[in-house]
Amino acid sequence: GQNIDQPTEMTATEGAIVQINCTYQTSGFNGLFWYQQHAGEAPTFLSYNVLDGLEEKGRFSSFLSRSKGYSYLLLKELQMKDSASYLCASMDSNYQLIWGAGTKLIIKP
Amino acid sequence: KAGVTQTPRYLIKTRGQQVTLSCSPISGHRSVSWYQQTPGQGLQFLFEYFSETQRNKGNFPGRFSGRQFSNSRSEMNVSTLELGDSALYLCASSLNTRDLQETQYFGPGTRLLVL
Repeated sequence: GQNIDQPTEMTATEGAIVQINCTYQTSGFNGLFWYQQHAGEAPTFLSYNVLDGLEEKGRFSSFLSRSKGYSYLLLKELQMKDSASYLCASMDSNYQLIWGAGTKLIIKP
Repeated sequence: KAGVTQTPRYLIKTRGQQVTLSCSPISGHRSVSWYQQTPGQGLQFLFEYFSETQRNKGNFPGRFSGRQFSNSRSEMNVSTLELGDSALYLCASSLNTRDLQETQYFGPGTRLLVL
């Protein structure tokens, strides 16, 4: 079956660094997406990886290892506004996004 | 450019009723996907429409259906509502989901409560 696993909740301190892990098993693979969703709002796109390696975008970076079925989202210099849920999604061979349940990130001052 | 809009934003129905939700994609986008989001379950894919054709379908019962019009606006319908259908229904649009790296843009969602 198809499955995406990510931690349910994580807590970090303002100004620190946090890494949110995601493992995936999908029928085929057309890329790994990360979205951010603030409470009561729609998900917004953060990153896309289809090749192995690290993609950096400002304070956010995303890493992919296709051989391990593994990705992580790295958030640096955490700010209070980063408190949100982070959704990992793998696109399968039918171009369908398979979503994890999301990781709720709590930032403490 | 206007974003994805969904109407209504909130809806309360009773068991057995039916409901129709509407989604207007970003101008120029031809792909519209629908998702159901419930606490702890994450987003569950319902279906995707592209150029008025259903191109992909998730594992939901036949009570869930949809369509897309020539202007790319999409509607989804749920018949014979059950309590378990209470959820946030999100619509996402993109130029074409089959273009890799193509981002899906989400609307604010319709929160459906079934009593």
